Amino acid sequence: QVQLQESGPGLVKPSETLSLTCTVSGGSISGAHWSWIRQPPGKGLEWIGYIYYSGSTNYNPSLKSRVIISVDTSKNQFSLNLSSVTAADTAIYYCAKQRGYGDYWGQGTPVTVSS
Amino acid sequence: EIVMTQSPATLSVSPGERATLSCRASQSVSSNLAWYQQKPGQAPRLLIYGASTRITGIPARFSGSGSGTEFTLTISSLQSEDFAVYYCQQYNNWPLTFGGGTKVEIK
Repeated sequence: QVQLQESGPGLVKPSETLSLTCTVSGGSISGAHWSWIRQPPGKGLEWIGYIYYSGSTNYNPSLKSRVIISVDTSKNQFSLNLSSVTAADTAIYYCAKQRGYGDYWGQGTPVTVSS
Repeated sequence: EIVMTQSPATLSVSPGERATLSCRASQSVSSNLAWYQQKPGQAPRLLIYGASTRITGIPARFSGSGSGTEFTLTISSLQSEDFAVYYCQQYNNWPLTFGGGTKVEIK
């Protein structure tokens, strides 16, 4: 069974770059699409973007200018970089196996943007 | 962007009763609609995709229906473990978008 685990700093300063990594275990990252989704405190879900194992990406237009998602197939990992963060980027960040619907999700990692 | 609207925001139901959750899309998403369940402190869990196909292991009391712009998730007889927030999500168009959620609480 595929398992995903997010990792990265829980606190990021305003204007800096949020960087998270998702490690996939129990299966290969190859042949699938992998997404990042976030959930602000007490709010709903927002899809950030996905990457195919080959490296092709698709981003939410609302975040596209600030987002880069990359993949490292040798480590079975994919990563999220979100630049120029503000308090509005405070959220729980989830990684998921998802191109359309997400059938496997990580447990989520909380990220707070604060000085 | 397709806007997904869920209603009601909160549904108060007694255990054993039926719950009916609605999801409306701002334009047709065909049958490219998924439902998730989220409990406090947990990640969303996929219940249904293709508007009506249950994931392996999801009890038969969960059923999905609809196509185009109107969708329904029905829980036929609520169990204690079913009290949670439910989200719909369309995957017909980019960007993928979620509804605002329906919280099913104990009456």
